[in-house]
Parts: sequence; structure tokens; C-alpha cells
Amino acid sequence: EVQLVESGGGLVKPGGSLRLSCAASGFTFSSYRMNWVRQAPGKGLEWVSSISSTSSYIYYADSVKGRFTISRDNANNSLYLQMNSLRAEDTAVYYCARDGFGGYDPLYYWGQGTLVTVSS
Amino acid sequence: EIVLTQSPGTLSLSPGERATLSCRASQSVRSSFLAWYQQKPGQAPRLLIYGASSRATGIADRFSGSGSGTDFTLTISRLEPEDFAVYYCEQYGSSPRTFGQGTKLEIK
Repeated sequence: EVQLVESGGGLVKPGGSLRLSCAASGFTFSSYRMNWVRQAPGKGLEWVSSISSTSSYIYYADSVKGRFTISRDNANNSLYLQMNSLRAEDTAVYYCARDGFGGYDPLYYWGQGTLVTVSS
Repeated sequence: EIVLTQSPGTLSLSPGERATLSCRASQSVRSSFLAWYQQKPGQAPRLLIYGASSRATGIADRFSGSGSGTDFTLTISRLEPEDFAVYYCEQYGSSPRTFGQGTKLEIK
């Protein structure tokens, strides 16, 4: 069974930093592209970032470019999101999501999310 | 980027009725790389439909998707109580992948 478990969310002040983690199991993690998607309270879904299976291809939404860094550790089946210079508008539930091998794929599996609150 | 507009914003129906949800793209979606997700309160989204019309694993056959180009539809043939939720469309054929704003399906 595919499982994605996020952690690392919490309350942080504007300008602060936070590192999110996603522990994957139930599939060959090193074979799949991974994503972070966020959802502000009461709002819709926003794709944040993606990383290919070997970390060769990394993409970011314009709203986080230069502030967030996605990475992965295939040996430990883990995905990360380093978030710096956080703003109030970054407040959201952050989901990690698995898509396919690297072509055009939907987001087949999602974790339960971790809440990030940016507030003074 | 491709903007997806879903309609209606809220749909009020009764169990047993048919639901039709619309998703319109600002430009043609490559090769019908269009997906639909269901999200219930406090839960993560769940993939229902991909490739515009293919049901994901384990999805009931009362859910069907159709469309191409810029106009797509999710149909739920006979609503069950567990189907009342928010539905999102997503295009994944152009970067960045983008989502519609959602349609809330509520019990009438």
C-alpha cells in the first residue's frame, strides 16, 4: 500500500524558515517524480514544486521561486521542502504527492498533509 | 499558464440524482491530460479520473469523465451520500500543472 506521511509543519513568524519532510513507503520511491501541493485555509489547490526521480529536474511555482527548495533522499525514501523567507500567504496545508515516472501524469497518491502557519 | 474555470461553484442535489460538473481551460489541454479529484473535509484529495476519461483504480463506475480541448465534464450518474464533497479539475499537460478553483457538491 502506498503511504506518504508529511511532517514538520507548525507555527513560524514571517521571515522565518521551516523544513517539511515526507516519508514514503509501499512503492519504489526512487522511480517516481514527487511533488508538493498546498492548500490555503478554505481555498483551492496550488502546485508548489516537483522533483524528478534522480533530482535532475526541479521546478517551482513562481510564488515560491527563490524561497523554497525541494530535495529528496532516495536511500531513505524521503522528500523535503525547505521553506525560507516565509510570508503570511504561505499559510496552508502542504501535501506531498506522487505522480508518474516522469512523463505526463496526474497526482496518483497524496499524503494527509501538514499545516504551516505563518503569523507573528 | 493554463487557467481552469470550474462551474458551477456550488451544486445542490439530492442522493440518486445525476451531477454534471464543468471545467473549462483558457487554452487547449495537451492530449487531454486532464484529471478530476475529490476532496472531503479534513482529507487529502483523491484521484478519480485521469486522461479526461479514465477512472483511477478503485473508483466506482458511476463516475465518468469526458471532453477534450478546452471543455471537460465530470458526471456522477447517481449520487450516493458519500459523493458530497468538493471536486477539482487539474491539467498536467503543460507546466506548471494547474487546478480549477473547485465545485462544491452539497446535499439539497
